[in-house]
Amino acid sequence: ETGVTQSPTHLIKTRGQQVTLRCSSQSGHNTVSWYQQALGQGPQFIFQYYREEENGRGNFPPRFSGLQFPNYSSELNVNALELDDSALYLCASSTGQRTYEQYFGPGTRLTVT
Amino acid sequence: SQQGEEDPQALSIQEGENATMNCSYKTSINNLQWYRQNSGRGLVHLILIRSNEREKHSGRLRVTLDTSKKSSSLLITASRAADTASYFCATDDSGNTPLVFGKGTRLSVIA
Repeated sequence: ETGVTQSPTHLIKTRGQQVTLRCSSQSGHNTVSWYQQALGQGPQFIFQYYREEENGRGNFPPRFSGLQFPNYSSELNVNALELDDSALYLCASSTGQRTYEQYFGPGTRLTVT
Repeated sequence: SQQGEEDPQALSIQEGENATMNCSYKTSINNLQWYRQNSGRGLVHLILIRSNEREKHSGRLRVTLDTSKKSSSLLITASRAADTASYFCATDDSGNTPLVFGKGTRLSVIA
């Protein structure tokens, strides 16, 4: 078990709604990365936050946004939900920007109906 | 976008047998890692191999890397039912760039 926690575990939303997912990073880690994993696929990088600033973004539209707080926990917000947003959302924490040493949380399963 | 492909997509073996999974990638890398994922939950880091390394061992795991062929393999020896999971390779190209994952291999170990 890593020290990374995510909430909620599962979530069901309706198309067009907004959702906020939360992640608490492992103690001592100041970087959080978010990934989207569709069913049967590998995780895809959404964005990374380092010291409360966005520090890299994957190929996701602006309706995917995030925040990092002074305690290095993080939120992922998705507006105007679409059916294709249904996925497992994973966050990973690390120290500095060393993405090769990431510790993943258990994920939030989002279902959009 | 996915960096590459794991092969095979699915693998079913008997307990005690060895399991070999392959990963191919497209661009130059700094590190390659293997992760395990149980039942659609979080990813567990298994092993990291750097681009200047050719082979690495960790317990029952053996990883090889061939940068000339842009490929890696993960060998799990003496498999157990508890090894049943999906296995993903992930690459980074500079150590501080996002991890790029393959699509994974689903391993089933039958007791």
